Amino acid sequence: DAKTTQPTSMDCAEGRAANLPCNHSTISGNEYVYWYRQIHSQGPQYIIHGLKNNETNEMASLIITEDRKSSTLILPHATLRDTAVYYCIVRVARSNTGKLIFGQGTTLQVKP
Amino acid sequence: DSGVTQTPKHLITATGQRVTLRCSPRSGDLSVYWYQQSLDQGLQFLIQYYNGEERAKGNILERFSAQQFPDLHSELNLSSLELGDSALYFCASSVVAGGPVEQFFGPGTRLTVL
Repeated sequence: DAKTTQPTSMDCAEGRAANLPCNHSTISGNEYVYWYRQIHSQGPQYIIHGLKNNETNEMASLIITEDRKSSTLILPHATLRDTAVYYCIVRVARSNTGKLIFGQGTTLQVKP
Repeated sequence: DSGVTQTPKHLITATGQRVTLRCSPRSGDLSVYWYQQSLDQGLQFLIQYYNGEERAKGNILERFSAQQFPDLHSELNLSSLELGDSALYFCASSVVAGGPVEQFFGPGTRLTVL
């Protein structure tokens, strides 16, 4: 699975959009980009995943660049409850295992 | 609530002891994963089971073992415990073994080894 690079920490004002970048320059064509988050020692929570098209769900949007070497997770209207560690993970699409390899993630602090 | 349950929530024990952590996956999920989260190592994948059989192994110590039972619940056994085994242990489940599916994580078991 390709390696990912994320900023260690970011701040965001409550009510504003939070844009979390992830670099995965060695991603291969059969690898998905996944985002999970972990709120203060709770179990990680799935947010969204994508292969090459932009994706949106009720939680967030995922923007993947055309060359697929980077992506951005967008939380459109961040709230204090969005304060968490956000993990960007790249994983082979048709793998026979769903194991997730977590990096250090980005600690997002949403401030009032 | 992810639908994944883990017991116990907290466990305090002494070095050299053995403990068993239990996980019940979401209804309908066939695959169970175990992860360890310690302060210095972050979240690490330990082992995966799918429909009762081991599917993938990560950085799991030989002192640790796991199994998945016919009713699909799983147990992680930790023996000869050391101080460094103190960590949060998460179980996750998914419908299938691989592919682009999301995993649902339980609330974790916090293990403290004294």
